[in-house]
Amino acid sequence: DTAVSQTPKYLVTQMGNDKSIKCEQNLGHDTMYWYKQDSKKFLKIMFSYNNKELIINETVPNRFSPKSPDKAHLNLHINSLELGDSAVYFCASSLTQQMTYEQYFGPGTRLTVT
Amino acid sequence: DAKTTQPPSMDCAEGRAANLPCNHSTISGNEYVYWYRQIHSQGPQYIIHGLKNNETNEMASLIITEDRKSSTLILPHATLRDTAVYYCIVFNDYKLSFGAGTTVTVRA
Repeated sequence: DTAVSQTPKYLVTQMGNDKSIKCEQNLGHDTMYWYKQDSKKFLKIMFSYNNKELIINETVPNRFSPKSPDKAHLNLHINSLELGDSAVYFCASSLTQQMTYEQYFGPGTRLTVT
Repeated sequence: DAKTTQPPSMDCAEGRAANLPCNHSTISGNEYVYWYRQIHSQGPQYIIHGLKNNETNEMASLIITEDRKSSTLILPHATLRDTAVYYCIVFNDYKLSFGAGTTVTVRA
């Protein structure tokens, strides 16, 4: 059973397009996250939702908009894609936002913008 | 934010213990130390975490110094499948801030 799943696994698109990445967790967790890993391999948090409420919003361009329709899903919509958006995007979840609980990561979505 | 310092890389012989050091001298009293690893380009995998006491689970042991300014992750019997980037992270402000980590290569 997949705990945290993401679709699609690979996404190739052209500059200026709008695209979405979907994330689902079947762990019953309250908190979900989006991370970006760029070509230099640094993992940076972008957003975090707890019980469908946004709790972390790092300095991310407003072209990126997360949406949480329910606790089990956190989708990432990206408008007007740019070359610099090319990266691997990871979704994660944890039982709660408290520091005592570990995060479980999805397999990642490799986004390539041409 | 509490920052961590790790060696950029280290080698380990298969079957031997791998000891991965981490410095976190600015850690606050209520902040946890977490260890994750990332194998190739997979999603990061949780290994272990602790606050003050030493911790052990089926994957590894975590030794935290008494002043909490440093810690060591111990993989007791490294295998080739343990080759990965290992991240030591201080959990702060409800988030994990990943650094560059230590690239561990286990050699046969």
